[in-house]
Amino acid sequence: GDSVTQMEGPVTLSEEAFLTINCTYTATGYPSLFWYVQYPGEGLQLLLKATKADDKGSNKGFEATYRKETTSFHLEKGSVQVSDSAVYFCALSRLTGGGNKLTFGTGTQLKVEL
Amino acid sequence: ETGVTQSPTHLIKTRGQQVTLRCSSQSGHNTVSWYQQALGQGPQFIFQYYREEENGRGNFPPRFSGLQFPNYSSELNVNALELDDSALYLCASSAGQGISGANVLTFGAGSRLTVL
Repeated sequence: GDSVTQMEGPVTLSEEAFLTINCTYTATGYPSLFWYVQYPGEGLQLLLKATKADDKGSNKGFEATYRKETTSFHLEKGSVQVSDSAVYFCALSRLTGGGNKLTFGTGTQLKVEL
Repeated sequence: ETGVTQSPTHLIKTRGQQVTLRCSSQSGHNTVSWYQQALGQGPQFIFQYYREEENGRGNFPPRFSGLQFPNYSSELNVNALELDDSALYLCASSAGQGISGANVLTFGAGSRLTVL
């Protein structure tokens, strides 16, 4: 079945440091890939998405490129801020008769310190 | 536009009891999905409702059931609660069944259920 593997956290960085959170997936066909972010006490917010190979999703300084050859969708940001502290989830979806089923990774907690 | 709202935000039940969680979808959205997020884990798909019918289900037993109403709001019902049902239950709505560039999921803040 479909699965998503993320690097374990917590990841602790100083403000303005470079961020990479690794994500790899297993799925048949051509899934769409997503990064969601969850701030404390809140629901999930879509951060960025990519729907086909070599697409780059970007938002709020975050980027991720859909790499089919390595089945990866790593999240990057050039300079993190304290306000980026949250849990980040990588997810995939395949268009099937069953609709909007998202398969999530276990999440990576990011802590950014001054 | 209003987002996805869920109620209650927190509740405590004992083993064997039944619980009903409620969700109001975002304005203009006609599809509702439910996810279970155990502590420290990613959300797991429970099921999806479209046009008041279940049209996709994850690996959850039949004691997890749901409803969708004509105004697209939804309920999640769990019977015979078990300790492992303790989790954050997330509702998400979308403007269609399939995930495409336009049809993304909007999540609510969740209902945290504790089973003692």
